[in-house]
Amino acid sequence: GQNIDQPTEMTATEGAIVQINCTYQTSGFNGLFWYQQHAGEAPTFLSYNVLDGLEEKGRFSSFLSRSKGYSYLLLKELQMKDSASYLCAVSRNTGFQKLVFGTGTRLLVSP
Amino acid sequence: DVKVTQSSRYLVKRTGEKVFLECVQDMDHENMFWYRQDPGLGLRLIYFSYDVKMKEKGDIPEGYSVSREKKERFSLILESASTNQTSMYLCASSLVDVANYGYTFGSGTRLTVV
Repeated sequence: GQNIDQPTEMTATEGAIVQINCTYQTSGFNGLFWYQQHAGEAPTFLSYNVLDGLEEKGRFSSFLSRSKGYSYLLLKELQMKDSASYLCAVSRNTGFQKLVFGTGTRLLVSP
Repeated sequence: DVKVTQSSRYLVKRTGEKVFLECVQDMDHENMFWYRQDPGLGLRLIYFSYDVKMKEKGDIPEGYSVSREKKERFSLILESASTNQTSMYLCASSLVDVANYGYTFGSGTRLTVV
């Protein structure tokens, strides 16, 4: 089976740094995805981690520890437009194309 | 620039009706997916297709069926709509190599069954 946990909501201030955590318990873990979803819109792909370590893409970075079943998404220099839900999703070795999503973390960025 | 198109943004249907949700992608992707998204439950996979006429059940296939007669089109069918199928339905597509590009999602269809 699988279990993916994320905080339900987080708040942060414009210009700050925020870290959104995701823990998972998944048999046959393959890799981990992060998606951003603005209210009423489609999720959009942010990052994919398959190896341990940090992947940086501009203001966004994603980290994975396979041994700990843990990932985080780091958002730097927060902007108001970063207010959205952030979805963590895992793929498995069998049926790796099918993603299993967490319930998402709603981030509110205030001025 | 539109990639994955879902035929309806909002839909209201009556209990017992047969409902068709259509999804078209223009990226020549092999894989197509139907998820539903509910508050507190996240996205849950209903069905997946990896080729024309090929399908696999996801985690919650009961009450649904799918059809993929052409590579670009993937339809979700609610055989007899029920109120517990009121939800946001999201279609997605991907290359075989999901890792590099992930899924591309459509804008969703919010279905209400009354």
